[in-house]
Amino acid sequence: GAVVSQHPSWVICKSGTSVKIECRSLDFQATTMFWYRQFPKQSLMLMATSNEGSKATYEQGVEKDKFLINHASLTLSTLTVTSAHPEDSSFYICSAGRNVVAGELFFGEGSRLTVL
Amino acid sequence: GDSVTQMEGPVTLSEEAFLTINCTYTATGYPSLFWYVQYPGEGLQLLLKATKADDKGSNKGFEATYRKETTSFHLEKGSVQVSDSAVYFCALTSGGKLIFGQGTELSVKP
Repeated sequence: GAVVSQHPSWVICKSGTSVKIECRSLDFQATTMFWYRQFPKQSLMLMATSNEGSKATYEQGVEKDKFLINHASLTLSTLTVTSAHPEDSSFYICSAGRNVVAGELFFGEGSRLTVL
Repeated sequence: GDSVTQMEGPVTLSEEAFLTINCTYTATGYPSLFWYVQYPGEGLQLLLKATKADDKGSNKGFEATYRKETTSFHLEKGSVQVSDSAVYFCALTSGGKLIFGQGTELSVKP
């Protein structure tokens, strides 16, 4: 399958700082990328859908000013957690879609954020 | 809205046992259905999929059949191995997005 790279895989930050997580599709162009949050022992919660060159679409209950998503190119989307707090500590996973309806959705390995 | 419900885990089996992980869904229209697997320390991978009713997806010895009448997509494998230990997620497409079930952890003991 295609390769999606997520960076960093692990980050610790102080409360009140901002953290940026990158998601790159390495061998295909992804017009759509998704950002998920996964809590321990729980499912993936879709946070937002980003389309290249346009504003992200956020799911209900997700603060768009706190979780800034940028999809600047067909191979890169970024998630910035602004003014992070301990409750933002989680596992964030991106996925890049080549053909979502057909299930051609490839996942990054995730980024574990710990806010102290 | 559309949703997916999976049986709760963890599921613990002995090697070579038969596996069933139940998945039912609620959806308007006719979604595509998927099973994803997440091995320890790794990202999610597509395991199998079915795009219409009565389709059977299969991969690595796993199978699931899209049952529209029971709105189900149960995952089965005839003989599990220790290497199958992972978390399994059932999912469906909805409005251009993937909706996941809560995941079922499978632990296979030698």
